[in-house]
Amino acid sequence: DGGITQSPKYLFRKEGQNVTLSCEQNLNHDAMYWYRQDPGQGLRLIYYSQIVNDFQKGDIAEGYSVSREKKESFPLTVTSAQKNPTAFYLCASSISPLGAEAFFGQGTRLTVV
Amino acid sequence: AQSVTQLGSHVSVSEGALVLLRCNYSSSVPPYLFWYVQYPNQGLQLLLKYTSAATLVKGINGFEAEFKKSETSFHLTKPSAHMSDAAEYFCAVSLTGAARQLTFGSGTQLTVLP
Repeated sequence: DGGITQSPKYLFRKEGQNVTLSCEQNLNHDAMYWYRQDPGQGLRLIYYSQIVNDFQKGDIAEGYSVSREKKESFPLTVTSAQKNPTAFYLCASSISPLGAEAFFGQGTRLTVV
Repeated sequence: AQSVTQLGSHVSVSEGALVLLRCNYSSSVPPYLFWYVQYPNQGLQLLLKYTSAATLVKGINGFEAEFKKSETSFHLTKPSAHMSDAAEYFCAVSLTGAARQLTFGSGTQLTVLP
């Protein structure tokens, strides 16, 4: 089945550590996105990528980094510079960057301990 | 600039009753509008979208929404609630329809009472 796979589902991190969240899609979509979701808030865009080897900052990129070396993969690294990293992280993709429906993964819940 | 306001962070209805979830938008041009549903600890699933064709949009699971330009609204309705409809619902707007330009509302948690 085609879809977006995020792993792990739950992740615990000690303060000061970097951690990488995985996102893989087999939909052959060009564009991929990372969102952050906090309780009582909507989703906020962290980074997006419209094509391989290219990515752009979203609204809340500080403390995060991404790479897009393969069309299928768009990992997100939460660095120690992110002051409040505990959140639910959602990866999404769309067939093209413009005018296309976004398909979402199941999310990764990151908790800093 | 674009923004979305969802009135009511929590809505409770009885099983079989009408579901009405409110969404108002602010946009400088006619926008693309979306409703998504999220079940606990899951990703978002698209319920329906408005793309300037018919103003009454039908989606999955019996949901529909009506675009009212004069009221800048895009309320989500379902005639008869089912227990399985209990979830969080997000309204979103995009000026171009591009996913990277989506602005989400803060969400409405729907509870369905037996």
